[in-house]
Amino acid sequence: DVKVTQSSRYLVKRTGEKVFLECVQDMDHENMFWYRQDPGLGLRLIYFSYDVKMKEKGDIPEGYSVSREKKERFSLILESASTNQTSMYLCASTLQGAVSFSPMNTEAFFGQGTRLTVV
Amino acid sequence: AQKITQTQPGMFVQEKEAVTLDCTYDTSDPSYGLFWYKQPSSGEMIFLIYQGSYDQQNATEGRYSLNFQKARKSANLVISASQLGDSAMYFCAMSTLQGAQKLVFGQGTRLTINP
Repeated sequence: DVKVTQSSRYLVKRTGEKVFLECVQDMDHENMFWYRQDPGLGLRLIYFSYDVKMKEKGDIPEGYSVSREKKERFSLILESASTNQTSMYLCASTLQGAVSFSPMNTEAFFGQGTRLTVV
Repeated sequence: AQKITQTQPGMFVQEKEAVTLDCTYDTSDPSYGLFWYKQPSSGEMIFLIYQGSYDQQNATEGRYSLNFQKARKSANLVISASQLGDSAMYFCAMSTLQGAQKLVFGQGTRLTINP
């Protein structure tokens, strides 16, 4: 089974702190994603990566950056945390790579989520 | 651009009844995939069912089935014989080739099963 692991279930940080959220997958998946989940808004894509050292902005990248130095690890960075970044953060990976598109290969496998509170 | 719309913020259903969760989508891409995920109160996302745009038959997985109406661009999830453990958030999602393989999610529906 695919396993996607996020480093923390719960985090409390102060405004202005630099925050790192770590995600590791163990199935050699090509693509990795960071989503933010807020009530009534569903899951919104922050950033995604389709290869090592490659990244693409999602729908809400402002205030965030990412790093993918190794295929299995994808980090989300809040450069200076603010209270409006209090949210649930979900990491996901998919098998789909650069070869011909197969929608089935875009099934996302999720980590357990990190509930971040910025005070 | 691809978009998923779930118009039911919350639903309440009696145990053992069938329930339909609505999902409509918008894309101009002929090749796409539709997914449903369940999120219990514990927070993990559980994959339920998948439907490809070229699939001729509606997908089924145990008590879950997907009512795929391509012309109407709808992909409703049907849960038969609901159970208390079905109480959760349910998300519809879509991926397309033009959308760079990303999964785009709807707003979600919170389903509550009453005993």
